[in-house]
Amino acid sequence: DADVTQTPRNRITKTGKRIMLECSQTKGHDRMYWYRQDPGLGLRLIYYSFDVKDINKGEISDGYSVSRQAQAKFSLSLESAIPNQTALYFCATSDRGLAGGRGHEQFFGPGTRLTVL
Amino acid sequence: DAKTTQPTSMDCAEGRAANLPCNHSTISGNEYVYWYRQIHSQGPQYIIHGLKNNETNEMASLIITEDRKSSTLILPHATLRDTAVYYCIVRGGSSNTGKLIFGQGTTLQVKP
Repeated sequence: DADVTQTPRNRITKTGKRIMLECSQTKGHDRMYWYRQDPGLGLRLIYYSFDVKDINKGEISDGYSVSRQAQAKFSLSLESAIPNQTALYFCATSDRGLAGGRGHEQFFGPGTRLTVL
Repeated sequence: DAKTTQPTSMDCAEGRAANLPCNHSTISGNEYVYWYRQIHSQGPQYIIHGLKNNETNEMASLIITEDRKSSTLILPHATLRDTAVYYCIVRGGSSNTGKLIFGQGTTLQVKP
């Protein structure tokens, strides 16, 4: 979805390096999410944020940190990258929950392919 | 959020309807059924969702059984571009976590 952008799209780095992945959205959504996907597996939630300065851990937050300084931006950091963090990373956004199950639809960015050597 | 079970893979001929089943026998009364798809390493794409009534939009139809223990996503005229992994997800409409639990999904291969 062009309304959700991620940078960089591809990154190769070395063990121990600090890496930041950026996500920006123009949908005006309050909620933003970071997921990772390993080959052949579904997505797993790393962190999520419901508003600026609001940060919540997901299933697999160890080794990661996030920052939400503005509504439109949510960044994911790997403080000291390790090889098992090699994965495809997705950012997503959603509106607040509305009646009828609406608003919970998540809109995903194109992904960042990260390789840690 | 209730767990879902989907077949690992399915084939469909181009131009025919693709019917993707999902079992969610532990679904509770306030939980919705959502469908997403992921086309080869792209970001997942929302398709449709429903509570108990059948739903239709420009992409697909969702049929939910009366007891809500299972559902079927229908792509009425599948094209090669519909080849993707399809995820059935159950979550509460009032859930505050915002979390989507992606299982293994069904890999749909549309063949010419």
